[in-house]
Amino acid sequence: EPEVTQTPSHQVTQMGQEVILRCVPISNHLYFYWYRQILGQKVEFLVSFYNNEISEKSEIFDDQFSVERPDGSNFTLKIRSTKLEDSAMYFCASNERRYREKLFFGSGTQLSVL
Amino acid sequence: DAKTTQPNSMESNEEEPVHLPCNHSTISGTDYIHWYRQLPSQGPEYVIHGLTSNVNNRMASLAIAEDRKSSTLILHRATLRDAAVYYCILRDGNQGGKLIFGQGTELSVKP
Repeated sequence: EPEVTQTPSHQVTQMGQEVILRCVPISNHLYFYWYRQILGQKVEFLVSFYNNEISEKSEIFDDQFSVERPDGSNFTLKIRSTKLEDSAMYFCASNERRYREKLFFGSGTQLSVL
Repeated sequence: DAKTTQPNSMESNEEEPVHLPCNHSTISGTDYIHWYRQLPSQGPEYVIHGLTSNVNNRMASLAIAEDRKSSTLILHRATLRDAAVYYCILRDGNQGGKLIFGQGTELSVKP
C-alpha cells in the first residue's frame, strides 16, 4: 500500500530556532494535513491544505506556523521560533478526495525543543 | 463536530473477538462513522467507516445501531498486534476534511 513519508523521524532544536518538518504525501492525493500529539495526549488537528492554500486551521496554528507545498511532491510545516511547548510528535496526512475518504498518516516526526 | 464517547480502556485475550463500543447520540444525518487506531509509536491508521449499514473489511467489522446513536467495532480474532488506541470519529460527509480525535479506547491484548 502507498505510504506517507515524513523526515526526519527525530528532530532536536534549541528554543527560538526555526524548524521545518517535511512530508511526502501519496502521489495522487490532493488534500494534506498536519496533526500533532504531545506525549500522553490526544492527536490534535493543526491545518489542512488544498489547491495551494490553507483550507482550515485550528487555534494552535498561529502566526508561528506556516505550511507550504514547494514542489509537486513535498509538503512542509515550518515553525518560525520554536517554544518548549512545541515539543510533540507531528504527523502529516493526506487523502485523495476530501469527502468521506480515509486519511493516510505518516509515522511522524518527533520534535524536541530544548 | 459531533461528539463520541468511548470507554478509556478495554482488555481482551488473544484470538478472542473484541467488541469496542462508541456512543454518538448527537450524530447528524450526514455524519459518517470512522474508526482509526494508533499502534504504539506510530501514526493513526484507518480501520473502517460506515454511514448506516454494517460494514466489513479485512481488518474489522462495523456494526451500526438502527438509530445510528451508537456503533461497535468488532475485531473477530484479536492478536497481540491489535493492541492500540482505537478512535471512533464522526466526519461530516458534506464537508469531509479534518478528523477530530478524542481520547479513544486503549485496547490491551493478553496472550
